[in-house]
Amino acid sequence: QQPVQSPQAVILREGEDAVINCSSSKALYSVHWYRQKHGEAPVFLMILLKGGEQKGHEKISASFNEKKQQSSLYLTASQLSYSGTYFCGTVSSGSARQLTFGSGTQLTVLP
Amino acid sequence: GAGVSQSPSNKVTEKGKDVELRCDPISGHTALYWYRQSLGQGLEFLIYFQGNSAPDKSGLPSDRFSAERTGGSVSTLTIQRTQQEDSAVYLCASSLDWTAYEQYFGPGTRLTVT
Repeated sequence: QQPVQSPQAVILREGEDAVINCSSSKALYSVHWYRQKHGEAPVFLMILLKGGEQKGHEKISASFNEKKQQSSLYLTASQLSYSGTYFCGTVSSGSARQLTFGSGTQLTVLP
Repeated sequence: GAGVSQSPSNKVTEKGKDVELRCDPISGHTALYWYRQSLGQGLEFLIYFQGNSAPDKSGLPSDRFSAERTGGSVSTLTIQRTQQEDSAVYLCASSLDWTAYEQYFGPGTRLTVT
């Protein structure tokens, strides 16, 4: 089952912060975050494995609450280059190993 | 090193024809995935290969879709008797191992069925 992302779209000014949420109805093994710019392939941002670990990538970080099957992506002091569509992907606990992506959050950073 | 490559980059075909899409993963990557992305939509999982294990075909939308991976490297996605709803960008990705590792995506093949 597809994870649910929110919000669907967000517009912010350069330097502002944003949070993108991802939730699943299934017990999760891992959560993956990717960014896709228009006309390009998705690019990996980070993976979070169950254990509630928070990962960071420059000014982009994420958390994973395995008890709630939720993950959040935090973009701090956003830059123009952060614009794009952000996808979370989830791998459920158990034997299934496919990565199921959410419908995406379109982020637009304005100067 | 070289990334994931896909060919062709664009394919226009008539309804009812068969098409083959090719993916060359990163050398040494044992896992390979196919996804479909319709215009403005998310990534729809199609099929997943891991080493010599049986592929996970649970995402294939119909029996018109099939894929194979020869020699643990190159993969071909075949769509038989194409329909207009098959029009989409087909993305291939590879990773070092199963889905606990980051996936590297190819540039995609844009398929248009007329």
